[in-house]
Amino acid sequence: DAGVIQSPRHEVTEMGQEVTLRCKPISGHDYLFWYRQTMMRGLELLIYFNNNVPIDDSGMPEDRFSAKMPNASFSTLKIQPSEPRDSAVYFCASSPRGGIHEAFFGQGTRLTVV
Amino acid sequence: EDKVVQSPLSLVVHEGDTVTLNCSYEVTNFRSLLWYKQEKKAPTFLFMLTSSGIEKKSGRLSSILDKKELFSILNITATQTGDSAVYLCAVEGLASKLTFGTGTRLQVTL
Repeated sequence: DAGVIQSPRHEVTEMGQEVTLRCKPISGHDYLFWYRQTMMRGLELLIYFNNNVPIDDSGMPEDRFSAKMPNASFSTLKIQPSEPRDSAVYFCASSPRGGIHEAFFGQGTRLTVV
Repeated sequence: EDKVVQSPLSLVVHEGDTVTLNCSYEVTNFRSLLWYKQEKKAPTFLFMLTSSGIEKKSGRLSSILDKKELFSILNITATQTGDSAVYLCAVEGLASKLTFGTGTRLQVTL
């Protein structure tokens, strides 16, 4: 298995534009997590899914952020409209049933909003 | 709200030194505490701790949990330059939700 795959690896966009980040979890993993990492706030959980269903989205900063998981092999995190303060590294992670310690992280998407 | 505080924020040591990293937490429905190492890219899993007083060990790294005092430590003995990284502590709470600390940045110099 290639692990958790995120795309793009880097994204530079202008303020106000829509940004879509993509994640392919490890096959067979029931949990999928979206995290955001900044120097100031560290690694923050934005939202996570269990069996494609959003379980907790309390970490989503505001309505400009949305996440979907249409099937077990794909998830998106969308920011619309983007703002400079959204600049961060966004990680996707997946984990098998009951195995949070087995959460494997993708390589992250570095987002820069100018 | 679950909370994880790590200290120190950063640390510079010489190769061969021993370091201790600290993690204190407040969490509803504690399930486990996890340590990760993050170099340039994604965090990689080191340890999961669920019981107090039982040391987990992997090579030069070891960790222990105190559920009464709500903290954990990560020890690295005989540090090497390859240990330079950010070390993240996370706690697993209700419904497998992970809350991370901001990390301790360790730099090991020659």
